[in-house]
Amino acid sequence: DSGVTQTPKHLITATGQRVTLRCSPRSGDLSVYWYQQSLDQGLQFLIQYYNGEERAKGNILERFSAQQFPDLHSELNLSSLELGDSALYFCASRGMEANVLTFGAGSRLTVL
Amino acid sequence: EDKVVQSPLSLVVHEGDTVTLNCSYEVTNFRSLLWYKQEKKAPTFLFMLTSSGIEKKSGRLSSILDKKELFSILNITATQTGDSAVYLCAGHNNAGNMLTFGGGTRLMVKP
Repeated sequence: DSGVTQTPKHLITATGQRVTLRCSPRSGDLSVYWYQQSLDQGLQFLIQYYNGEERAKGNILERFSAQQFPDLHSELNLSSLELGDSALYFCASRGMEANVLTFGAGSRLTVL
Repeated sequence: EDKVVQSPLSLVVHEGDTVTLNCSYEVTNFRSLLWYKQEKKAPTFLFMLTSSGIEKKSGRLSSILDKKELFSILNITATQTGDSAVYLCAGHNNAGNMLTFGGGTRLMVKP
């Protein structure tokens, strides 16, 4: 157990729907990162939050949004889902020890 | 845009073999290079390299960084079936404070 908790583990939904993925970082970590991993692609950086504020943005679609709450958990909202959004979505948190990200087990999203 | 490229894409070896995995990077405001191992789910951290020429070692795994030529290698000696995984390297962009990952090398170790 890495200490980073993601829910749900699996999610199956239909095109056009909206889902919310949730992440709780390791105790004491202020930074949360979201990554997408598709079958034919590596880990693609989506967005980073630090202590409630957005810090960096990657190739995140406009249909996707995220936020980090005062208790430091984060949610990734995916709307108007398309087949191509099917992927593993990872959350990672970073502590004070340099640049090491600790990953959660991921949420596998299947869009039918 | 930051870029990290890994080679080979995949590798099949037999137990006891030694393998070398390659990672080249183009990362602005480069701070460090990280290696992760991904088995079934979450990537797990292996090494972080910040200085050229200093080998990091953990058991049968070792890694080194060349900041002049912009690459890193991960060596695994006396491979075991438990080493079968996807190995990911990532470059840390200090300005954007994020990791850019390569596509990974899928290693399969046969008994």
